[in-house]
Formats: sequence, structure tokens, C-alpha cells
Amino acid sequence: AQSVTQLGSHVSVSEGALVLLRCNYSSSVPPYLFWYVQYPNQGLQLLLKYTTGATLVKGINGFEAEFKKSETSFHLTKPSAHMSDAAEYFCAVSDSGGYQKVTFGTGTKLQVIP
Amino acid sequence: GAVVSQHPSRVICKSGTSVKIECRSLDFQATTMFWYRQFPKQSLMLMATSNEGSKATYEQGVEKDKFLINHASLTLSTLTVTSAHPEDSSFYICSARVAGSNSPLHFGNGTRLTVT
Repeated sequence: AQSVTQLGSHVSVSEGALVLLRCNYSSSVPPYLFWYVQYPNQGLQLLLKYTTGATLVKGINGFEAEFKKSETSFHLTKPSAHMSDAAEYFCAVSDSGGYQKVTFGTGTKLQVIP
Repeated sequence: GAVVSQHPSRVICKSGTSVKIECRSLDFQATTMFWYRQFPKQSLMLMATSNEGSKATYEQGVEKDKFLINHASLTLSTLTVTSAHPEDSSFYICSARVAGSNSPLHFGNGTRLTVT
């Protein structure tokens, strides 16, 4: 079975500061890993994904994440937070090394302080 | 890009009635669609996997007779909450995968169901 752990249900950063959202996973097969963003009362939007190849993945809105197999981590970062980044972020892992069943973490709510 | 349309965005119904939620892939064919439920301040819980032309696969603990799923075409899946109760109140989100083995999920904007 696959699982995802997101450390910190709430993270607050100042505008312009570094954003770091943590995600650790467990998987019995080489994982596909994802970060999604959710704005209030909306669905999820894919920020970035790791499948194979380069371990540093760049996504939309200036976000990036690095797959570290030895640490079973896939932390999400952004050098400089914008007010518009305030949202809930979900890390997810697929359970078959593909895009079949996806398991989500419990989410991290990002607050950006002006 | 691939767009998934979910309707309605909000619905309020009385206990005992049934509610149908539609999930459409607007510009692609989706052989597989997924239905999720999200409780306040919690993650998304997969309810069922909907496969075009066949029966849905339900996750453990999800009542298939209560949450009826129909995937009659490559662009439409529906979730019907039958005999709704207040505890069914939640945010329901569908996602669809472009036909093919290596394509990501695209999500609808969700449906906020309130049962009074």
C-alpha cells in the first residue's frame, strides 16, 4: 500500500520568503509523485509531477520539488512567496508507478503574510 | 489543456432525496474517472473508480448501493447519492484520466453537497 505524510497542516510565511512544504512517501514500487494546489471550494490543480528521469522537477507558478529516493521525500519549494500562493497543497503518490489510483496526503494550508 | 467540468457546483437537498452529480471531460476521452470525497480540513478520500462501459470499483467502506456510479460514455460519469442523509454532506470531486496509460489526472471543481 502507498501512503503520503505531509508534515505540518499549516505553514505561514512572509511575502517574499522561501516556501517549503514537506512530503514523505512510502511505496512498494517506483513511485509517481505529485503536488496539487486547491483553492477554496475548488478542485485540484496539478502543480508538478515526478515520474522518471530528472529528480528536480519544475512546475507552474515558480514551484519546484526534488525527488530524493534515499529520504523518500518530495518536498515542494518556491524561492519567494506571493500572496496568491495562499491555498491548500496536497502531495500525492500513485500506487502502481503510473496514473492509476492516487493516494493523497492530508494537505498543508499555506498562509502568506503581507 | 484537458478540462473536466463538474456540475452542479453546489446543491442543497432534503434528507431522503437523491442527488446526481455529473462529471464531464470536455475536450478529451476518459476511459477512467475517479470520484473523491473530501471532508472539511481533510484530504481527498477515493470513493470509487469509474470505468466506461463497466461497473465501478468501490473502495472499502463505500456503499455501492448508496453511491451509484454510471460511466455510460467516454466523456461522462455520474455519481448519484441515494437517500441522502446529513452525514453525506461533503465536497465531492471527480477526476478523469485521458485515455492511454501514461496521462495525469485532471480534476473537476467539485460539488458541495449539503443535506438538510
